[in-house]
Amino acid sequence: DVKVTQSSRYLVKRTGEKVFLECVQDMDHENMFWYRQDPGLGLRLIYFSYDVKMKEKGDIPEGYSVSREKKERFSLILESASTNQTSMYLCASSRTSGGSSYNEQFFGPGTRLTVL
Amino acid sequence: KNQVEQSPQSLIILEGKNCTLQCNYTVSPFSNLRWYKQDTGRGPVSLTIMTFSENTKSNGRYTATLDADTKQSSLHITASQLSDSASYICVVPRHNTDKLIFGTGTRLQVFP
Repeated sequence: DVKVTQSSRYLVKRTGEKVFLECVQDMDHENMFWYRQDPGLGLRLIYFSYDVKMKEKGDIPEGYSVSREKKERFSLILESASTNQTSMYLCASSRTSGGSSYNEQFFGPGTRLTVL
Repeated sequence: KNQVEQSPQSLIILEGKNCTLQCNYTVSPFSNLRWYKQDTGRGPVSLTIMTFSENTKSNGRYTATLDADTKQSSLHITASQLSDSASYICVVPRHNTDKLIFGTGTRLQVFP
């Protein structure tokens, strides 16, 4: 059974703290994604990685960075957390589709981050 | 601009009733469309995928339809159950990429 896990379900941090969100997949997928989900806005792509050490900015990368040192692990980093980064963060993985875009993205359970 | 729009934003129905959720997209060129179900506090899970050549596809009590000419899809839920309470998200991939465009979802609540 496919599995994407995220390190925390709930996280509370203070403004200015450095925050690490970890995601691990056990499906040997090439692609990994970080999204944030806010009410009324749907899922928005923060960063995308298509291979180890490779990354690509998504639609809202400002204030975030990522790290992918191993194929199964993709980390999202908030260098200096701010209150407007309070959100639900979802990680996903998929196979490379070769441009056909048929491959399903499998999602983790999400991390609800609150920045005070 | 590539967009995916869903209606209604929210829906309340009684257990056992049917309902239909709508999705309109302007993504071009189009290859496929997915419906995801997201339970509260959980990640989305794929229900079904529709390719441009398919008109209808069923997955148990869920039936998805696609009209590629009008760029519309619908998700019909038959004989709703309490466990159908969730958000339903329509998703279309960006052309020639592994990235997705998400609708804002329809929040369905089924009451006994």
